[in-house]
Order: sequence, then C-alpha cells, then structure tokens
Amino acid sequence: EAGVAQSPRYKIIEKRQSVAFWCNPISGHATLYWYQQILGQGPKLLIQFQNNGVVDDSQLPKDRFSAERLKGVDSTLKIQPAKLEDSAVYLCASSSPGTTGTDTQYFGPGTRLTVL
Amino acid sequence: GNSVTQMEGPVTLSEEAFLTINCTYTATGYPSLFWYVQYPGEGLQLLLKATKADDKGSNKGFEATYRKETTSFHLEKGSVQVSDSAVYFCALSDPGANSKLTFGKGITLSVRP
Repeated sequence: EAGVAQSPRYKIIEKRQSVAFWCNPISGHATLYWYQQILGQGPKLLIQFQNNGVVDDSQLPKDRFSAERLKGVDSTLKIQPAKLEDSAVYLCASSSPGTTGTDTQYFGPGTRLTVL
Repeated sequence: GNSVTQMEGPVTLSEEAFLTINCTYTATGYPSLFWYVQYPGEGLQLLLKATKADDKGSNKGFEATYRKETTSFHLEKGSVQVSDSAVYFCALSDPGANSKLTFGKGITLSVRP
C-alpha cells in the first residue's frame, strides 16, 4: 500500500514570497490533516479535512495560509506572503475511521520550508 | 484544553541499556494515546498506541501502558539498539475533538555502540 506522498521535499524562499505544498493521501482515506512542525517542537495541527470539507481550521493563520482539498483526494497548502517564522516542516497525514472510533494517522515525509 | 508533556532530553544510552521515556497528559475526554517515532531524514511513523485505560501497546520491543490514574503513557524498552536512535513523540487523540492529535515536544534518543 502506497503511503502519503508530499512534494516538494525541500523549499527555500525569501520572505514575502508565496509557496505551495502538495499532498496525496493514502487511497481511500477520507480524513486529511496538515501539521506545522517547528524545529524542536511537536507537530501542531493547522487544518483538518473530512472528504473535501473543513472540520477544524482553528489554528490556521488565515491571513496568510490557505488550504483546499478538491474532489476529496489531493490537497494543497499555500502560504502568501511568507514570513521568517513560517520556517518549519509541513506534514500531511491521512486516516480512515477505525472500528474503535480512533483514527490512526499516517504521515508523509514532510516538506521542509526555509524562509530567508 | 488537551496537552502532552514529555521529559526533557536529549537522552544518550549505550547499546543494550534499558530505556524509559516519560509522558504525561491532560485531557478533558477519554483520549487514545500514541507514540510516534521519527528516524533521521524520515517522516513520523506510528510506533504503538493504546485506546483505553490499562491497555498496553507494543511494537519492535517497545511497550507503553495507558495509566489513567496517573495520566501517563511511559515508553519502555528492555534493550536498546543503535538503530533505535530517533526522535520520539508522545501524542493523544481526543474523539471529542475530531480525533486531532496533540503532540508533546519530542525527545531525541541517541544510542552508542
């Protein structure tokens, strides 16, 4: 079974530029998550989709970050304009409902963003 | 709100030493608990999980028991190997909060030959 795919793996941009990340979840997984992992910290949820609807975007900085999941499969996360503090690894994860009601999330390799 | 606290690191051990990594949590509901591992240059991988009190999760020689009375989920391994060198994250998933994961800060484990 193929895992969660993300691209690009690395991106370096200057502040005030824009950037986009792509994620392809595990086939059949209805739920997709984007996390931000700043160096030395645990991942923090930015946005959660159920199919193509947003379930939770309470920690997404909506003035500069946007995300979409067209057709309930692939997803794109965009930052415009980027700030220095956006330097982090952006992780995509997907899950499908388990029999216990607990969704195990499977993570992609992440995109490491450096903002100069 | 929900939170996860991990012991401060990093941790350096010799091969075949016993490992304990402490994790405690605060949750308003009845969470599931997870340990994720991140090997150098790789993404997060699920190591083990427990979904209710007194459950024990185990995988690759690692174990953790869900202790509701002490709100803890400590990770243990009897004999570590160099290949266990990685960053370990404790996390909880609250079904009442759309099952989103709340992570601890992570701890780096280095195992010397």
